Amino acid sequence: GDSVTQMEGPVTLSEEAFLTINCTYTATGYPSLFWYVQYPGEGLQLLLKATKADDKGSNKGFEATYRKETTSFHLEKGSVQVSDSAVYFCALSPRGNDYKLSFGAGTTVTVRA
Amino acid sequence: NAGVTQTPKFQVLKTGQSMTLQCAQDMNHEYMSWYRQDPGMGLRLIHYSVGAGITDQGEVPNGYNVSRSTTEDFPLRLLSAAPSQTSVYFCASSPSGGAIDTQYFGPGTRLTVL
Repeated sequence: GDSVTQMEGPVTLSEEAFLTINCTYTATGYPSLFWYVQYPGEGLQLLLKATKADDKGSNKGFEATYRKETTSFHLEKGSVQVSDSAVYFCALSPRGNDYKLSFGAGTTVTVRA
Repeated sequence: NAGVTQTPKFQVLKTGQSMTLQCAQDMNHEYMSWYRQDPGMGLRLIHYSVGAGITDQGEVPNGYNVSRSTTEDFPLRLLSAAPSQTSVYFCASSPSGGAIDTQYFGPGTRLTVL
């Protein structure tokens, strides 16, 4: 079935460091891909999304590119801040079954001042 | 708008007890869903609804019931709680069009079953 695998954490960085969180997926056809973020004590929020191959999603300085050839959707940010400390989830929605989201296990990111 | 609200925030049950987790949204969204979040497993879909009167099972539906009598409310019922249902539960909603629309998540309910 459809699944998402993302790099295990936790990840600890210093402010202004470069962040990459790897995400790969297994799916039939061409799913939509998402990154969600969960700040401490809160529910998930959509960070960015891409609905077709080679699309780049971006928001709040974060970017991810839908790579069909490598079935990947890696999240990147060039200069992190303490406020970026959160849990990040990669997710997919199968094409033709848009009502279901499959999530990765989540990656905890801590940014130190 | 209050968005998606969930009650209670915390709950402790004994094995075999029943309870209902409440979820409400004031955005007139057609689609609502329930997820559980367990360490190392991400979120898993329990049940979802594409409109009032329509519900369907997700990935892990066993032990849970749902109903959708109104657009606003989507309660999740545990008929006989088990320790395996200890988890954090999130409700989400989105406009009709499915998951490619932004899903709005509630703040979660942390449930412990002893």
